[in-house]
Amino acid sequence: QVQLQESGPRLLKPSETLSLTCTLSGGSISPYYWSWIRQPPGKGLEWIGYIHYTGSTNYNPSLKGRVTMSVDTSRNQFSLRLNSVTAADTAVYYCARDPTDCSSTSCYTGWFDPWGRGTLVTVSS
Amino acid sequence: DIVMTQSPDSLAVSLGERATINCKSSQNVLYSSNNKNFLAWYQQKPGQPPKLLFSWAYTRESGVPDRFSGSGSGTDFTLTISSLQAEDVAVYYCQQHYTTPWTFGQGTKVEIK
Repeated sequence: QVQLQESGPRLLKPSETLSLTCTLSGGSISPYYWSWIRQPPGKGLEWIGYIHYTGSTNYNPSLKGRVTMSVDTSRNQFSLRLNSVTAADTAVYYCARDPTDCSSTSCYTGWFDPWGRGTLVTVSS
Repeated sequence: DIVMTQSPDSLAVSLGERATINCKSSQNVLYSSNNKNFLAWYQQKPGQPPKLLFSWAYTRESGVPDRFSGSGSGTDFTLTISSLQAEDVAVYYCQQHYTTPWTFGQGTKVEIK
């Protein structure tokens, strides 16, 4: 059974860089896409972006170029960096797998299962 | 971006009664090449991550009780709980994966009346 666990600093000051790692157990990083999703306290869900096991990425433009994702297949980990954080970046950050559904000609992804338990990152001076 | 709008924002239903949640997308999420709707539903209980209930609008995930059903196509979708149980108290989200950025509805909170 695939399980995901987020790790990283939980308290940041404004302008610092958020850095989180998601470690996968019970499965392999390949051949999937892997996403980061966040949820401000008491609010809804926002997709941050995904990374493919090959290293290709797709980020949400709403984060205005502050996001970088990376993958380490040897460690079964993928990571998120978000720079120049503000209080608006305070949220529970989840990592999740993007399942893939393939037909004879194409593959499709973009929904999320399973999810990590999430980690609350607080930005405060 | 595709905007997902859920209604209502919250609802209170008696145990054993039907709960209906609507989700409307600002653009069509039915892909003509495979005739599938790029729409997922999630359930989030307090203090837990979201749990996938349905992919492709109405493909139920393993282990999801059959009192849950998904329906709809194009821009209008519905999640129905046919007979609400106490363990169904949660916030429910729809999400489109037709085009990036993937986007979620604002959530619908289901409570017991």
